[in-house]
Amino acid sequence: DSGVTQTPKHLITATGQRVTLRCSPRSGDLSVYWYQQSLDQGLQFLIQYYNGEERAKGNILERFSAQQFPDLHSELNLSSLELGDSALYFCASSVGGQPYNEQFFGPGTRLTVL
Amino acid sequence: AQTVTQSQPEMSVQEAETVTLSCTYDTSESDYYLFWYKQPPSRQMILVIRQEAYKQQNATENRFSVNFQKAAKSFSLKISDSQLGDAAMYFCAQTSGSRLTFGEGTQLTVNP
Repeated sequence: DSGVTQTPKHLITATGQRVTLRCSPRSGDLSVYWYQQSLDQGLQFLIQYYNGEERAKGNILERFSAQQFPDLHSELNLSSLELGDSALYFCASSVGGQPYNEQFFGPGTRLTVL
Repeated sequence: AQTVTQSQPEMSVQEAETVTLSCTYDTSESDYYLFWYKQPPSRQMILVIRQEAYKQQNATENRFSVNFQKAAKSFSLKISDSQLGDAAMYFCAQTSGSRLTFGEGTQLTVNP
């Protein structure tokens, strides 16, 4: 158990819908990262937050948005869902936001878009 | 763009034997870190080993060790005395700033 929690574990929804994935980082960690794992694209970095502020952005679609709240939990919002958005979404956290800070991964949220 | 390449989609090894997984990377950064992650069927991402690029000494964690060749941008993982529990997908990753860039993964099968 990494100490990072993600809810829900599984999510099944229809095309065009909007969903919110939630992540609680390990106690004391200030940085949160979101990754997407799909069959087509592999494991890709989406976005990073550090202490409430966006720190880095990767291959995140405009239909996707994220935020980190004052209690440091983070939410990833996916809207106008398409079949290709079906993937495993991981949240990771680290104590700082530097390359040398180890990232601890949550168990992931499996999103299925029908 | 940073890229990580794992040229072996699948590998197999006999229990108690040794196996080496290959990884090459490409980066323009002078300070970076390299990792091997294990993803078992549960899908949990588990850190196996890390290597700081500025360190010449190869990292070792129990049965896991790396062969880091900085000039060749190569970072292979050696698993000694393979166990059934080592069966998983293994991902090589490098830091690009604070984000991780992953390879395509190598599926390791351990035969009893």
